[in-house]
Amino acid sequence: DAGVIQSPRHEVTEMGQEVTLRCKPISGHDYLFWYRQTMMRGLELLIYFNNNVPIDDSGMPEDRFSAKMPNASFSTLKIQPSEPRDSAVYFCASSPVGDRVREQYFGPGTRLTVT
Amino acid sequence: AQSVTQLDSQVPVFEEAPVELRCNYSSSVSVYLFWYVQYPNQGLQLLLKYLSGSTLVKGINGFEAEFNKSQTSFHLRKPSVHISDTAEYFCAVRESVRDDKIIFGKGTRLHILP
Repeated sequence: DAGVIQSPRHEVTEMGQEVTLRCKPISGHDYLFWYRQTMMRGLELLIYFNNNVPIDDSGMPEDRFSAKMPNASFSTLKIQPSEPRDSAVYFCASSPVGDRVREQYFGPGTRLTVT
Repeated sequence: AQSVTQLDSQVPVFEEAPVELRCNYSSSVSVYLFWYVQYPNQGLQLLLKYLSGSTLVKGINGFEAEFNKSQTSFHLRKPSVHISDTAEYFCAVRESVRDDKIIFGKGTRLHILP
């Protein structure tokens, strides 16, 4: 299995621009999680989906952030407009169907720099 | 509400020495417990997990952890560390019945000294 795939791996953009981060979960996994990691705040859960439906978006910082999961094999996290304080590493993770433990498998992350 | 406390943000240890990374959790119900490792510039990967049964759990790369219900702890140990163990280690908890989310601690950075 290829694991969780994220793209791009690195993104540098200017303040005010729209940024779209992409994630392909492991095939057959029914949960998908988006996290943000910074030195100051550590690992924060932004939002998670079950069977493509958003379950909890309480971690989304503000309206500039939005996430979608149009099908079981693809999700996006969009920031519009971006700000320097959004600079972080963004991780996507997925969990398998029927796994009561909900072990999460992480992608390699997208390092976002907003200048 | 559940929470995870990793008492040390950084732990320096000499190569081939033993190490213990401390983790305490709070929850009023039964939990699943995890340790994840993050190597530089990579995502998190599972090191080991506790579900039930034996309180001593063995993971990859020679790591083990012990679940202590009375002390609500899940400390990670390795008898002899190697330079390749340099990484950040995250303790995490999930309430076994009612929550889909895993709550992560803030991480402990392990520095291996030559």
